[in-house]
Amino acid sequence: DTGVSQDPRHKITKRGQNVTFRCDPISEHNRLYWYRQTLGQGPEFLTYFQNEAQLEKSRLLSDRFSAERPKGSFSTLEIQRTEQGDSAMYLCASSLVSGQKNEKLFFGSGTQLSVL
Amino acid sequence: DAKTTQPNSMESNEEEPVHLPCNHSTISGTDYIHWYRQLPSQGPEYVIHGLTSNVNNRMASLAIAEDRKSSTLILHRATLRDAAVYYCILRDAGTASKLTFGTGTRLQVTL
Repeated sequence: DTGVSQDPRHKITKRGQNVTFRCDPISEHNRLYWYRQTLGQGPEFLTYFQNEAQLEKSRLLSDRFSAERPKGSFSTLEIQRTEQGDSAMYLCASSLVSGQKNEKLFFGSGTQLSVL
Repeated sequence: DAKTTQPNSMESNEEEPVHLPCNHSTISGTDYIHWYRQLPSQGPEYVIHGLTSNVNNRMASLAIAEDRKSSTLILHRATLRDAAVYYCILRDAGTASKLTFGTGTRLQVTL
């Protein structure tokens, strides 16, 4: 399967711990997005990269959150000093943007974070 | 991004057509209408998109009103595997902006 891969699928942590999630996009996709989703809500945008450049960050992304895409391929999302309110599904998506702007986003199955 | 309005939930019988409505009265000229759906325990998946003309693909059809202030996603024969949350999203092609999801329509399909 060559879709978007996210690891781990589930993460349980205690309040105050740091967690890191990984996303492997579809090969050669130049855009990578991170979203967060809580129960009953649609995904909320967090940030996106074009190649290795982080082009936009949501106000939802507090200074405890940091995302990287060092070589323009895989990406990591780190949450420091986790809080119970960080409990959510973290979704990664990738796309190929070339001339036309209406690219399709391909999503992974997400990482479900539970903060106890 | 301009806002969309969708019913919270809809029900359909299997093998019958389903029409999922979306209102977007403040749509601008460069906004494309995108539909994604999210099956249980999965990330969203692309369904279809269009600008002015009706669009068809293997998954669904998209009917766009002449004034573009509303659109309808049509599943021609619903199956149990079509039970999902369907999101109607406006996206400005000029800025290639991020997708902004609402709460969508939860479609239940029954035998």
